[in-house]
Amino acid sequence: DAGVTQSPTHLIKTRGQQVTLRCSPKSGHDTVSWYQQALGQGPQFIFQYYEEEERQRGNFPDRFSGHQFPNYSSELNVNALLLGDSALYLCASRAGGNTEAFFGQGTRLTVV
Amino acid sequence: GDSVTQMEGPVTLSEEAFLTINCTYTATGYPSLFWYVQYPGEGLQLLLKATKADDKGSNKGFEATYRKETTSFHLEKGSVQVSDSAVYFCALSDNDYKLSFGAGTTVTVRA
Repeated sequence: DAGVTQSPTHLIKTRGQQVTLRCSPKSGHDTVSWYQQALGQGPQFIFQYYEEEERQRGNFPDRFSGHQFPNYSSELNVNALLLGDSALYLCASRAGGNTEAFFGQGTRLTVV
Repeated sequence: GDSVTQMEGPVTLSEEAFLTINCTYTATGYPSLFWYVQYPGEGLQLLLKATKADDKGSNKGFEATYRKETTSFHLEKGSVQVSDSAVYFCALSDNDYKLSFGAGTTVTVRA
């Protein structure tokens, strides 16, 4: 079992650009959540996808959007990048009503 | 809204010392509580969890007890090793399953 996999591992973008991050959930998991972890802080919830729909959203602007595919994988898109978007982006997956979430290694995004 | 407050770090200990990291929470419902650990350059790994009051979660020598009366979930380990050096996050998950994390506590264990 490969666990939760994210790509790419590192990314450098320029202010104003757009970025797409990808996540494949752990086998058997159907729910994917995304978190932003700024340096030295705890992860902050961005949104959660289930059955290809956004089910919950944290306090993030509309520049942050996502998608879930029929195979349960997910993408996080960020438009009009700001320097403050520089962070580790974590994807977590879980199965159905199970409270236990498994995290990927994250994508380190640097905006310059 | 839901929130988690955990002991500020950094914490530096000698090998075989006793470790405690305090965590308290605020939630409107009856949350599940978790401790996650993050090693340098890696994502989060679930260390232990408790889903109801008085439950004790345990793993790899770490323990935490869900105390509803004090809204706490303190992490303890009786004898730490150098390999326990990491950042520890307390988190809760309410009925909506989203995780709310504390700010993290950096633990360094010296040989």
